[in-house]
Amino acid sequence: SQKIEQNSEALNIQEGKTATLTCNYTNYSPAYLQWYRQDPGRGPVFLLLIRENEKEKRKERLKVTFDTTLKQSLFHITASQPADSATYLCALGDQTGANNLFFGTGTRLTVIP
Amino acid sequence: EAGVVQSPRYKIIEKKQPVAFWCNPISGHNTLYWYLQNLGQGPELLIRYENEEAVDDSQLPKDRFSAERLKGVDSTLKIQPAELGDSAVYLCASSLDRAPGETQYFGPGTRLLVL
Repeated sequence: SQKIEQNSEALNIQEGKTATLTCNYTNYSPAYLQWYRQDPGRGPVFLLLIRENEKEKRKERLKVTFDTTLKQSLFHITASQPADSATYLCALGDQTGANNLFFGTGTRLTVIP
Repeated sequence: EAGVVQSPRYKIIEKKQPVAFWCNPISGHNTLYWYLQNLGQGPELLIRYENEEAVDDSQLPKDRFSAERLKGVDSTLKIQPAELGDSAVYLCASSLDRAPGETQYFGPGTRLLVL
């Protein structure tokens, strides 16, 4: 079965720096990959989608890359702010044509003022 | 526009008791999902509905879990009887349809504690 690893449970960075979160997967070839943000006590909120034939996507201060050879996605937040502090989840989309997602365990990001 | 609504937000029960969670998806969303999220883990899909039909319930423990989506709108997830290991957050999500990559919108979840 598929295995998804997010680089670390927790990541602390200084305000203004770029946060880079890693999502590695094995035993799977996702058709797409999504990144979600989850705040304590709330459900995940969709941030970005990147498909297998795309290398990079950007949205405001967010950037995601997808390397199907390395089986890895990188998620970057530039000019980070304390309000970016949250847990970030990567999710692999399946190849069956449905919209099922397989989530990683998440990385808890803390941006220090 | 209202998001996905779930109730109750919190539930504490004793083991062996039944419990039910309710979900109202975003209006017009045909696809509805129930996920289970354990502490420190990502959500895991339990069941997916296309309108009123359960089209993927392979991860639903059918000996004690059941779900329904009458009229293809609201949905209920039930556990009977509950076990200690069922303590978790139960998330409901909806999407416009089942197209791959379609955004899933999550509710706030129901936090269940089984004593």
